[in-house]
Amino acid sequence: RKEVEQDPGPFNVPEGATVAFNCTYSNSASQSFFWYRQDCRKEPKLLMSVYSSGNEDGRFTAQLNRASQYISLLIRDSKLSDSATYLCVVAGGGADGLTFGKGTHLIIQP
Amino acid sequence: DAGVTQSPTHLIKTRGQQVTLRCSPKSGHDTVSWYQQALGQGPQFIFQYYEEEERQRGNFPDRFSGHQFPNYSSELNVNALLLGDSALYLCASSFNGASTEAFFGQGTRLTVV
Repeated sequence: RKEVEQDPGPFNVPEGATVAFNCTYSNSASQSFFWYRQDCRKEPKLLMSVYSSGNEDGRFTAQLNRASQYISLLIRDSKLSDSATYLCVVAGGGADGLTFGKGTHLIIQP
Repeated sequence: DAGVTQSPTHLIKTRGQQVTLRCSPKSGHDTVSWYQQALGQGPQFIFQYYEEEERQRGNFPDRFSGHQFPNYSSELNVNALLLGDSALYLCASSFNGASTEAFFGQGTRLTVV
């Protein structure tokens, strides 16, 4: 079983729509959770941290369900510039470094 | 304020050769982690250097080694290159031995032929 699993997509979504991604993680002792964004042939950049209480940053909302070991990201009113790969990341719990999922590829269409 | 810088940006090597990649961390950061990202995959943790020592290591063979200098910059060395070592090598800098709150460099794209 992969440590962090994501649907690779691609997700083709019209501009202005709402899109949701999910990921699951296998290490129940993981302590920190993040979503990173990676544009084509660029480095990953931190989009937002994910907290058990849920957190929102503008059009982006992240949720963590520790019992189900499940993390989600919701993007509202999607923009063309949201087209990218979104990487689910966990850390801690005895694992070294950051553990990345393969990423979910999002394409926003005009 | 310079971010994380890596050199070179691109590199082509022949199977069996050795390669050295370099990373300068973000100003104020003292910890450097290295990741390998193969095409279509997420980054995989190679190792982390803090206080000039390897502190953590992922599931990579001994062909992968590194070093951290007193100015916190770091090198990644890969010996006996294999075709499968072709990937984007990312350096991430952070503070005080942490893995989180990490900033990534633009990466070095290594092609082994």
